[in-house]
Amino acid sequence: EDKVVQSPLSLVVHEGDTVTLNCSYEVTNFRSLLWYKQEKKAPTFLFMLTSSGIEKKSGRLSSILDKKELFSILNITATQTGDSAVYLCAVEINNDMRFGAGTRLTVKP
Amino acid sequence: SAVISQKPSRDICQRGTSLTIQCQVDSQVTMMFWYRQQPGQSLTLIATANQGSEATYESGFVIDKFPISRPNLTFSTLTVSNMSPEDSSIYLCSVRTGYNSPLHFGNGTRLTVT
Repeated sequence: EDKVVQSPLSLVVHEGDTVTLNCSYEVTNFRSLLWYKQEKKAPTFLFMLTSSGIEKKSGRLSSILDKKELFSILNITATQTGDSAVYLCAVEINNDMRFGAGTRLTVKP
Repeated sequence: SAVISQKPSRDICQRGTSLTIQCQVDSQVTMMFWYRQQPGQSLTLIATANQGSEATYESGFVIDKFPISRPNLTFSTLTVSNMSPEDSSIYLCSVRTGYNSPLHFGNGTRLTVT
């Protein structure tokens, strides 16, 4: 059975801290791994990763994929209160997306 | 990326009634999907909306409960029929503009069934 597991499930930090969110997977026919930020209802796209070892970066956020060890991490540096959200990891299997349970990040002032 | 408009944004409905959710995209897209997110849960795919033919439903979801229309490449509707409190969820329309492109989501519909 295909599985996508995110850890931790929740995390509370203070502004300025750096956080690392984890996503591990066991799937057949891996195509890509995606990260989303969900603040209210709609997840917004952050990164799409297909190749191992290539870091993708957008401002204070970065992500990398390890296809040998079957995981990805999402890093957020110098966190701000606006980073508070649920971060979802999704793995594309053929044409289907399997979502993890998400990590709820709370950034306190 | 495509702009996806979904409505209603939220609704509170009585048990036994039905609600139709609309999804409008500002460009033609081949792949359109409907997801559900129950409280405290992650996203679960309900079905793939196919233009001009019946939707493809995932295990656990049936057409009688979640009829879907897709009359063209920019519009789709999802109906939640004969609602019960267990249907209280966020319903999300999503699209992909190509096989190597990410999934993008509409703003979602928060449904509460009393």
